[in-house]
Amino acid sequence: EIVLTQSPGTLSLSPGERATLSCRASQSVSSSYLAWYQQKPGQAPRLLIYGASSRATGIPDRFSGSGSGTDFTLTISRLEPEDFAVYYCQQYGSSPPGTFGQGTKVEIK
Amino acid sequence: QLQLQESGPGLVKPSETLSLTCTVSGGSISSSSYYWGWIRQPPGKGLEWIGSIYYSGSTYYNPSLKSRVTISVDTSKNQFSLKLSSVTAADTAVYYCAGGDASVPAPPDPWGQGTLVTVSS
Repeated sequence: EIVLTQSPGTLSLSPGERATLSCRASQSVSSSYLAWYQQKPGQAPRLLIYGASSRATGIPDRFSGSGSGTDFTLTISRLEPEDFAVYYCQQYGSSPPGTFGQGTKVEIK
Repeated sequence: QLQLQESGPGLVKPSETLSLTCTVSGGSISSSSYYWGWIRQPPGKGLEWIGSIYYSGSTYYNPSLKSRVTISVDTSKNQFSLKLSSVTAADTAVYYCAGGDASVPAPPDPWGQGTLVTVSS
């Protein structure tokens, strides 16, 4: 089973700053089947990125994903007030599919 | 546009079976284009993949829950369901249903709004 470790646990930043979130896998994620989600309090997670770097429909271009193998990154180029939330990575290409990271909280500094 | 909605009891007693249903609209539950899955989130904690089912009937369950989980499809009602047996307080969580593209490996999207299930006597 692939274990995903996200860092940091909490990121304290100001609006307008750049956010860099990391997701490291315990073994290689096949074909970069790695997704990123955003979750706000009381809401279901929203898909941001799939295939490590493809933005989902309607996701602003300030969100970008990169990486391959075991190291992946989600970058938010300039934080907007609505971007303060918890972010999860997920691998979906290996058996069993669907393992999530433990999450990174992006909070207002 | 595919939409999903969870339903079921909000309170389940310890040792009993948790049963939830997800109603799908905007698409057919029997379509080979989709897979269907369940994810849960204990209060204040992260996301845990429970399992998924494909058009072929193939199911994939989280190994940590496999002995207690059953996911099935009811094509007549355009619904799929989750059954989790022998529940304890550790199974208290918001349960989400989700759909995904079955033609290639794809992450779950969209998700239902989630339903809170509390395990307590």
